[in-house]
Amino acid sequence: KQEVTQIPAALSVPEGENLVLNCSFTDSAIYNLQWFRQDPGKGLTSLLLIQSSQREQTSGRLNASLDKSSGRSTLYIAASQPGDSATYLCAASNTNAGKSTFGDGTTLTVKP
Amino acid sequence: GAGVSQSPSNKVTEKGKDVELRCDPISGHTALYWYRQRLGQGLEFLIYFQGNSAPDKSGLPSDRFSAERTGESVSTLTIQRTQQEDSAVYLCASSLVALYQGAPEKLFFGSGTQLSVL
Repeated sequence: KQEVTQIPAALSVPEGENLVLNCSFTDSAIYNLQWFRQDPGKGLTSLLLIQSSQREQTSGRLNASLDKSSGRSTLYIAASQPGDSATYLCAASNTNAGKSTFGDGTTLTVKP
Repeated sequence: GAGVSQSPSNKVTEKGKDVELRCDPISGHTALYWYRQRLGQGLEFLIYFQGNSAPDKSGLPSDRFSAERTGESVSTLTIQRTQQEDSAVYLCASSLVALYQGAPEKLFFGSGTQLSVL
C-alpha cells in the first residue's frame, strides 16, 4: 500500500526566501506525482504534474523534481511571496490520478 | 459554470441523520471523484465514476456511504445514520478521461462541503 509523507508539516519563512518542500513515497511504481496548492476553505489547485519518465517540471517560480528510485519529490519555490502562503500537498499515483495517495501537506506561511 | 460546484458549502447535522452532498462537475468531464479530508490531513479517496462504467467504490469506509451519478453530470454522495467521525470536508473533483493507464490527468476540484456532525 502506497504511503506518502510530507515534511515539514509547517514552515514559516520571510518574503523573498527560496524554499524546498519535501515529499516521500514508499512504492516507487508510480505513474505520476502531482503537487497541489490548497487555500483555506477552498479545493485543491494542481500546480505541477511529473510523469514517471520525467525528472522535473517547472512553472514560473515553481520547480518540482522526482526521484523514483529514492521515493522522493521536492517542490522548490523561488523568491517566495506572501501570496504563496497555503497548504501544499503532493499525491502519488499508482493507477489513475484521481486515485492517488495524498500526503498530509505542508502549511507554508510567507511573512512580509 | 466554469468550475466544479459543490453544495452545500457547509452542513451541520445531528448524529443519526442522513445527509446528501452534491457535486456538479465541469461540463464534458467524464471522470468524477469524491474524497474526504479530515482536519490537518490529506485526501482520502472514496469513490470514482468514469462514464457509464460501474463506479469504483473501493474507498468507501462503510456501507453507510453511497454515491450516484446521473450520466456524466451531477453526482450525490449520501451518508446514512451519520456519526461524529464523519465530520470532515468532502471534496469532489472532475477530469477528462485518461486515455491510457497512467496518463497525465489534471484534476479540477470543487471548494468542498464542510460536514459537522453534532
